Amino acid sequence: QKEVEQDPGPLSVPEGAIVSLNCTYSNSAFQYFMWYRQYSRKGPELLMYTYSSGNKEDGRFTAQVDKSSKYISLFIRDSQPSDSATYLCAGSGGSNYKLTFGKGTLLTVNP
Amino acid sequence: GAVVSQHPSWVICKSGTSVKIECRSLDFQATTMFWYRQFPKQSLMLMATSNEGSKATYEQGVEKDKFLINHASLTLSTLTVTSAHPEDSSFYICSARESSFYGYTFGSGTRLTVV
Repeated sequence: QKEVEQDPGPLSVPEGAIVSLNCTYSNSAFQYFMWYRQYSRKGPELLMYTYSSGNKEDGRFTAQVDKSSKYISLFIRDSQPSDSATYLCAGSGGSNYKLTFGKGTLLTVNP
Repeated sequence: GAVVSQHPSWVICKSGTSVKIECRSLDFQATTMFWYRQFPKQSLMLMATSNEGSKATYEQGVEKDKFLINHASLTLSTLTVTSAHPEDSSFYICSARESSFYGYTFGSGTRLTVV
């Protein structure tokens, strides 16, 4: 079992839709969780960063972490065509600070 | 915000030659830098972790003698692909971690093509 599982999609939604992206993880040591957005042929850009369980909101983006079920989510409200990208979830824990990434979900928001 | 500059953004080299990729943290000191490799439509695969002034720690299966990593200062890490072969063609990305923040900032990536 991979440490971080993520449905690769692709996911296609109309502009204005609410998008839900999800990951599961298996490593109980993970305490830090991140969502990155990656445009084609570019490096990932940090979108959201959360510690332990709970919700975090930043503009149109909301990240949720449920450590009891080892489930992490990213919600995008009022999705825009510019949100079209690959979204990567990642977890980290312990002293080595290494990030473990999911495979990424390719999202397309259609105008 | 934190910025990581990676150069070159793309490079084509002949088989058997070496290529150096630079990763610089522009506005913060990076205690730890990471190097990743990404194949098309695949996730990021961690190659190695480097701490300033220390030898890099390589992930299992990564050839230390082929992928030389140097982290000489708190703002610069380099990855040298030695004796490159076509199978080394890939997208290489660095990231840097500032000690006061657990988020990691990524460079823009380097697309290496070995012909």
